[in-house]
Amino acid sequence: QKEVEQNSGPLSVPEGAIASLNCTYSDRVSQSFFWYRQYSGKSPELIMSIYSNGDKEDGRFTAQLNKASQYVSLLIRDSQPSDSATYLCAVNRGSSGGSYIPTFGRGTSLIVHP
Amino acid sequence: DGGITQSPKYLFRKEGQNVTLSCEQNLNHDAMYWYRQDPGQGLRLIYYSQIVNDFQKGDIAEGYSVSREKKESFPLTVTSAQKNPTAFYLCASSIGGGPLSSYGYTFGSGTRLTVV
Repeated sequence: QKEVEQNSGPLSVPEGAIASLNCTYSDRVSQSFFWYRQYSGKSPELIMSIYSNGDKEDGRFTAQLNKASQYVSLLIRDSQPSDSATYLCAVNRGSSGGSYIPTFGRGTSLIVHP
Repeated sequence: DGGITQSPKYLFRKEGQNVTLSCEQNLNHDAMYWYRQDPGQGLRLIYYSQIVNDFQKGDIAEGYSVSREKKESFPLTVTSAQKNPTAFYLCASSIGGGPLSSYGYTFGSGTRLTVV
């Protein structure tokens, strides 16, 4: 079982709609969760982090975490064509050295069409 | 402006050749990481370092080597033992922290390595 799973998509939504991106993880002791946006040919950039159950809002973005069900989601309100990118979910996991290292999902491709 | 600089942006390697990818940060971050990204795949961890003069193997360390002699620098060498090195290599840094850390990564712009 993969540690962090995302639907590869593409997820296609019309401009102005809400885009919903989902991620599930296997390690129950995971504590911190991150969403990154990656434009084609570019490096990822951090959008949001969350570590408490519930919702966390930042502008048009809302991250949702449910530790009991082991999923984390990202909602993008009023989607714009500029939001078209691959969205990577990352989950902190413990390592043999005692530090905590994010494990990344494969990403979901989002296409926002005018 | 603070950030992470990776160089070169494009690199071509001949069979049997070792090449070194540079990664420098001026964010005063303690932790640095190297990831590899292949088309359609997520990021896979090669090596990471939480402190100067110490580093740990990630999930796919075979055929790679690193050093961490300075806080600002974390170069990655792709050796001839790495049989399929063509990929997009990303360096990242973070403040570090424990399991509840909400600190994410700052990524460099990446190096595209191609075997010719």
